[in-house]
Amino acid sequence: EVQLVESGGGLVQPGRSLRLSCAASGFTFDDYAIHWVRQTPEKGLEWVSGIGWNSGNIGYADSVKGRCTISRDNAKNFVYLQMNSLRVEDTALYYCARGNAIYARGYFDNWGQGILVTVSS
Amino acid sequence: QSALTQPPSASGSPGQSVTISCTGASSDVGTYNYVSWYQQHPGKAPQLMIYEVTKRPSRVPDRFSGSKSGNTASLTVSGLQPEDEADYYCSSYAGGNIVLFGGGTKLTVL
Repeated sequence: EVQLVESGGGLVQPGRSLRLSCAASGFTFDDYAIHWVRQTPEKGLEWVSGIGWNSGNIGYADSVKGRCTISRDNAKNFVYLQMNSLRVEDTALYYCARGNAIYARGYFDNWGQGILVTVSS
Repeated sequence: QSALTQPPSASGSPGQSVTISCTGASSDVGTYNYVSWYQQHPGKAPQLMIYEVTKRPSRVPDRFSGSKSGNTASLTVSGLQPEDEADYYCSSYAGGNIVLFGGGTKLTVL
């Protein structure tokens, strides 16, 4: 069974940093791209960042570019999202989602349960 | 990077068909056949319903179908059932390792 489990969320002050982790199991991890998608009641789903199976493809939404760094450890089956200079508008439920071996196919066939990030003073 | 455009709401009676549109640009929906659709029930994670414009995962009923014309993709739900009431989101690959989502459509089964 494919499982994606997010961790590392919580309450953080504006301007501070946070690192989200996604632990994957139940599939051959280094065959797949992994993405981060966030959700708020106001904006719905928003793609944040994605990383290809060998880290050769990496992308960021304009809203986080320059403030976030995505990485993966294929030996440990983890993907990380380092978030710096956090803003109130980064407050959201963050999902880890499995992409495809071909990054551009761009669909997400398995999702974690999400982790809440709250940015507030 | 502009979000794809979806109607905020749609509705239909049980047994009817409803179509939800997803309008992008020539640089995303218009160029790539990498449009996907997700269903989300309250408090749950999204679930993939359609990928690559028209393909369905094996667990998705064939009442769900996808299509595309120009810069607009569509999701059609035929033979509406009460359990189809949910939020639906489209997404598209937009080149440059970027993926876009639509704003979501709340489908109500009357």
